[in-house]
Amino acid sequence: ETGVTQTPRHLVMGMTNKKSLKCEQHLGHNAMYWYKQSAKKPLELMFVYNFKEQTENNSVPSRFSPECPNSSHLFLHLHTLQPEDSALYLCASSQSNGELFFGEGSRLTVL
Amino acid sequence: AQRVTQPEKLLSVFKGAPVELKCNYSYSGSPELFWYVQYSRQRLQLLLRHISRESIKGFTADLNKGETSFHLKKPFAQEEDSAMYYCALRKTGANNLFFGTGTRLTVIP
Repeated sequence: ETGVTQTPRHLVMGMTNKKSLKCEQHLGHNAMYWYKQSAKKPLELMFVYNFKEQTENNSVPSRFSPECPNSSHLFLHLHTLQPEDSALYLCASSQSNGELFFGEGSRLTVL
Repeated sequence: AQRVTQPEKLLSVFKGAPVELKCNYSYSGSPELFWYVQYSRQRLQLLLRHISRESIKGFTADLNKGETSFHLKKPFAQEEDSAMYYCALRKTGANNLFFGTGTRLTVIP
């Protein structure tokens, strides 16, 4: 499959659960991103990885933990989330300074 | 700090009418500006970027540094243009984009 693929597409979890979101890109890009999309708010950048190294952490709470094992894969580990963390989480990839290609998103609901 | 403002959350126009989606930004450096679009049930995708200076699907956008604006325009709207449009800014030397809140365009047949 080509492009940026995110799994799962939908996730419901309790506040004490531990879960992970996965993102995979088959575009040969060197940069990967996590964005959060909440209702009535702009897309919020969470993390940026460039050549597997985290280059930006946009003051994200520690209950969100990213992992980038290689340039093609990006994870977002979730632990003890709050209901206000419910949102659409978008992964994207790009070549440096290039166009961002987005996945379809993982819709997270925290009960 | 950088900021991208899209003052209209909703915009409706009739088919064949001109359309303009507004975007203003604040950034002290030389930004790169983008328009991204999300059609129903599709992922967010690039529509155009100011450095390309090209027309995509009949849309154009000119970077006006004096007014710090990057408005998206199309002379004759089509029904298939109905979508969510996001303006975005990239700071000098950065990879990531900062997005506005988006404008939902509805083209009425």
